[in-house]
Amino acid sequence: NAGVTQTPKFQVLKTGQSMTLQCAQDMNHEYMSWYRQDPGMGLRLIHYSVGAGITDQGEVPNGYNVSRSTTEDFPLRLLSAAPSQTSVYFCASSYSRVTRAEAFFGQGTRLTVV
Amino acid sequence: AQTVTQSQPEMSVQEAETVTLSCTYDTSESDYYLFWYKQPPSRQMILVIRQEAYKQQNATENRFSVNFQKAAKSFSLKISDSQLGDAAMYFCAYYGTASKLTFGTGTRLQVTL
Repeated sequence: NAGVTQTPKFQVLKTGQSMTLQCAQDMNHEYMSWYRQDPGMGLRLIHYSVGAGITDQGEVPNGYNVSRSTTEDFPLRLLSAAPSQTSVYFCASSYSRVTRAEAFFGQGTRLTVV
Repeated sequence: AQTVTQSQPEMSVQEAETVTLSCTYDTSESDYYLFWYKQPPSRQMILVIRQEAYKQQNATENRFSVNFQKAAKSFSLKISDSQLGDAAMYFCAYYGTASKLTFGTGTRLQVTL
């Protein structure tokens, strides 16, 4: 049981480049989400999805795009990378809150934009 | 919107001693979950303990326990018999009807010999 698989673990981008962070889960979770972690700020929600075909914005969505075409996958796209997007990114998934609200996290991606 | 506050950026405890990490939250909801997550240097987010708001009994998991005060909107984590492996960042998190986790800013726990 792989849980939540997030790739890559490390990435360096130049300003203006685009890239996609991949996230896949094999637990048939309805909910998936993306967070960024910055020093002194905890984890902040970027985008989330409550099921295939349904996405919504979180606290800090600007500069990021998501889609959820399958239950398993929830990629995060950086459209035009900026130094302010240097951060550690986490993907998480969970069952619906009526069953069990525990979130499972990927191992994180450390992204540096130069 | 819900907010979660961890007022202790750093804490230190001696091995085998007990330490309490504080967390307060703000919400108008009555049905929600609260969590403590641990993040060691490996960066992996690990669930430590969870509490359902409708349960009056405080959750416990081995050496970890919480003091859940619903009226005061307080959710502290007590670590007993601290071990070197407990050194990590600890995040308090709120999960409400919007099905989103809201995190505090974290407390870095150091464990000394």
